Amino acid sequence: SQQGEEDPQALSIQEGENATMNCSYKTSINNLQWYRQNSGRGLVHLILIRSNEREKHSGRLRVTLDTSKKSSSLLITASRAADTASYFCAPIFLSGGYNKLIFGAGTRLAVHP
Amino acid sequence: EAQVTQNPRYLITVTGKKLTVTCSQNMNHEYMSWYRQDPGLGLRQIYYSMNVEVTDKGDVPEGYKVSRKEKRNFPLILESPSPNQTSLYFCASSLARQDGYTFGSGTRLTVV
Repeated sequence: SQQGEEDPQALSIQEGENATMNCSYKTSINNLQWYRQNSGRGLVHLILIRSNEREKHSGRLRVTLDTSKKSSSLLITASRAADTASYFCAPIFLSGGYNKLIFGAGTRLAVHP
Repeated sequence: EAQVTQNPRYLITVTGKKLTVTCSQNMNHEYMSWYRQDPGLGLRQIYYSMNVEVTDKGDVPEGYKVSRKEKRNFPLILESPSPNQTSLYFCASSLARQDGYTFGSGTRLTVV
């Protein structure tokens, strides 16, 4: 399967702790994106990391990409209750001239006050 | 405000009654796509469109149709809905091939 596979499936932490979610994929990619979804709502684009980048930061988010291991990680530092959501990685493949996003099943993050 | 607008948000219908879920974006995006989300299966792509009058099947296109007559609109049509199409549907758009997607708020469809 080309899709990203997130690990763990679920993560429960206390406010203030860091949360790390991992993503693995099977084929070469052009870039990789991370999205957040609050329960039953639309996905929100968090960050995009290109295949020639190794690390990217956005506020409390840090994303790494290791193309040799075909893996990525999303770190949320100093987590807050509002970070409670599902997080999806979406590797992007060029297929027929179109950027095809393949979503995994996601990591459900629960941040407890 | 830049956004993707889906309507309706909730819909309950009966088997076989044709329905359309509308999707509109105000960002002049070329690429648009429909996904369905089911528990344990994640998001699966139904159809996508690279530009006006250019559409193609995604991973789960059976039972669905789409059209792209205008750049901003990308409706999803269920000609004869069945209970296995009960799902949460999302429309998404992006400016260019490598960019992030903007998602709509979703349409929760129940077919009885």
